[in-house]
Amino acid sequence: QPVLTQPTSLSASPGASGRFTCTLRSDINVGTSRIFWYQQKPGSLPRFLLKYKSDSDKQQGSGVPSRFSGSKDASTNAGLLLISGLQSEDEADYYCAIWYSSTWVFGGGTKLTVL
Amino acid sequence: EVQLVESGGSLVQPGGSLRLSCAASGFTFSNYEINWVRQAPGKGLEWVSYISSSGFTSFYADSVKGRFTISRDNAKNSLYLQMDSLKAEDTGLYYCATMTDYWGQGTLVTVSS
Repeated sequence: QPVLTQPTSLSASPGASGRFTCTLRSDINVGTSRIFWYQQKPGSLPRFLLKYKSDSDKQQGSGVPSRFSGSKDASTNAGLLLISGLQSEDEADYYCAIWYSSTWVFGGGTKLTVL
Repeated sequence: EVQLVESGGSLVQPGGSLRLSCAASGFTFSNYEINWVRQAPGKGLEWVSYISSSGFTSFYADSVKGRFTISRDNAKNSLYLQMDSLKAEDTGLYYCATMTDYWGQGTLVTVSS
């Protein structure tokens, strides 16, 4: 079982909200994990969006709008990236990552289509 | 302006070696832990290696352990990746990154005969 599992794709309409999941392997507790989120548009380098451990332990990336936010779902052991008011410019691949066992681990990425 | 500029990528034969460099400017490089992250064509992000701010501690992905060596020179604001015994599956765009706001544009490594 992979350390981090992300759905391969997500589709949503402009103006709607997008909810990206990053499910941690069952032996890794999402509650104590700090989840990092990145956006990558075609032909561009990854952009750091935010990191989230709790509402009191989080950091937004430089210049990242507040409509991008992080959360957790303890019931599914998942980190969440929430994007409100989706725009066509949000079309991109989204990756989660954690620092685990002295390594960085990325999820496989979720491709967002806004249509 | 913060910049991370990678260099050294090229076409190399399987079994060959390559040394990547990453030049930092616009921030206090010596205060930051830094990593190499790669991306194969059309694939996702894969972490390669980490080095502490002092350079005393480093970690590697299993896929490169024993073949790659990360190092840094804080006096020169530079990060390096020595890549030996290269394989076709090492092909990709290599980024240096702090894992937060600072990422380079990447340098392309192609391992092919």
